[in-house]
Amino acid sequence: DVKVTQSSRYLVKRTGEKVFLECVQDMDHENMFWYRQDPGLGLRLIYFSYDVKMKEKGDIPEGYSVSREKKERFSLILESASTNQTSMYLCASRRDGNEKLFFGSGTQLSVL
Amino acid sequence: AQSVTQLGSHVSVSEGALVLLRCNYSSSVPPYLFWYVQYPNQGLQLLLKYTSAATLVKGINGFEAEFKKSETSFHLTKPSAHMSDAAEYFCAVSSTGGGNKLTFGTGTQLKVEL
Repeated sequence: DVKVTQSSRYLVKRTGEKVFLECVQDMDHENMFWYRQDPGLGLRLIYFSYDVKMKEKGDIPEGYSVSREKKERFSLILESASTNQTSMYLCASRRDGNEKLFFGSGTQLSVL
Repeated sequence: AQSVTQLGSHVSVSEGALVLLRCNYSSSVPPYLFWYVQYPNQGLQLLLKYTSAATLVKGINGFEAEFKKSETSFHLTKPSAHMSDAAEYFCAVSSTGGGNKLTFGTGTQLKVEL
């Protein structure tokens, strides 16, 4: 089975801190995604990557950046965390030509 | 532009009763449609997908969904609810088929009561 691993289940940070959320997948998938999940809003796409060092903005990229130096790892960066970035962050991956997304179990980030 | 609307943020059914979760979509091109399920403290898992083949799609755990173009709907059903079906369900649409621009609905929390 595909495994998508997010490094932290819970994270608490202070306003203004730089935050790194890490995601690793073990099935050689080309495509990786970062979503945030908020009650009543569903999942919203922040960024995605279709290849190493390639990235594209999703629907809500403001305040975030990403890094994909290796195929299996996709990092989400909050340059200066703010309270409105308190949310559940979900990483996902997908193989080219296959519509099925595989999700990690999420990181609940609280920014105080 | 593409979007999905899930009617009812919370649905409650009795164990053994029919489950019906509603999803309507909007897409300027023939859509690919998906239902995902999220169990507590887990990521999302694919339940089923419609990719322009048969309009009635069967998924895992006894769920199925029917694509109705005339109604722009893709409702999820299960004949008999089980306690283990309690979860949050998300409908999603992609107009590219590749899934990179997957737009999710706001989710429906399903509660199953004894």
